[in-house]
Amino acid sequence: KAGVTQTPRYLIKTRGQQVTLSCSPISGHRSVSWYQQTPGQGLQFLFEYFSETQRNKGNFPGRFSGRQFSNSRSEMNVSTLELGDSALYLCASSRGGTGAMNTEAFFGQGTRLTVV
Amino acid sequence: ILNVEQSPQSLHVQEGDSTNFTCSFPSSNFYALHWYRWETAKSPEALFVMTLNGDEKKKGRISATLNTKEGYSYLYIKGSQPEDSATYLCAFKEYGNKLVFGAGTILRVKS
Repeated sequence: KAGVTQTPRYLIKTRGQQVTLSCSPISGHRSVSWYQQTPGQGLQFLFEYFSETQRNKGNFPGRFSGRQFSNSRSEMNVSTLELGDSALYLCASSRGGTGAMNTEAFFGQGTRLTVV
Repeated sequence: ILNVEQSPQSLHVQEGDSTNFTCSFPSSNFYALHWYRWETAKSPEALFVMTLNGDEKKKGRISATLNTKEGYSYLYIKGSQPEDSATYLCAFKEYGNKLVFGAGTILRVKS
């Protein structure tokens, strides 16, 4: 069974540009969550999508947006990049149905974004 | 704002030592408590998903306990090995809400 796939693995962008990151969840998983990790910080929650709808949202500015497609693949977009957006972005998929065991998160390897 | 706290921040132990970490979380609206292991250059990997007060789970030399009434969970590693070196994350989930992670405990095991 294929794991969670994130592309690209590494990205260098210039301030002011925009970027789109992609996440393909495990087959059958309907929930995809996105997290940001910066040095010294824990995993900061960005948003969660379930069946193409945003189900939860973290405390990030509107420059951060996402979407989910009918095949559960998800994309995250950051517009007008700032130096502080340099981070590891992780996505995690879960089955997403009812029951606490369906919340177990399976993580991708992340996209390392550097803004210069 | 949900606050999930982990202690200690980091731990250095000798091979063969047993160790434990703490995760504190809100005691209201509890739905689940997760533990993950995150090794360098890899993805975080789930160890346990715990749901019931008094739950105890075990996987090899690693075990965890849960107290939802007072809002804490302990992770124990018996006879630490160098391959146990990793960051251990706990995450708290309210029903219908996001998974909130603690900052993690970094474990380094010296051989």
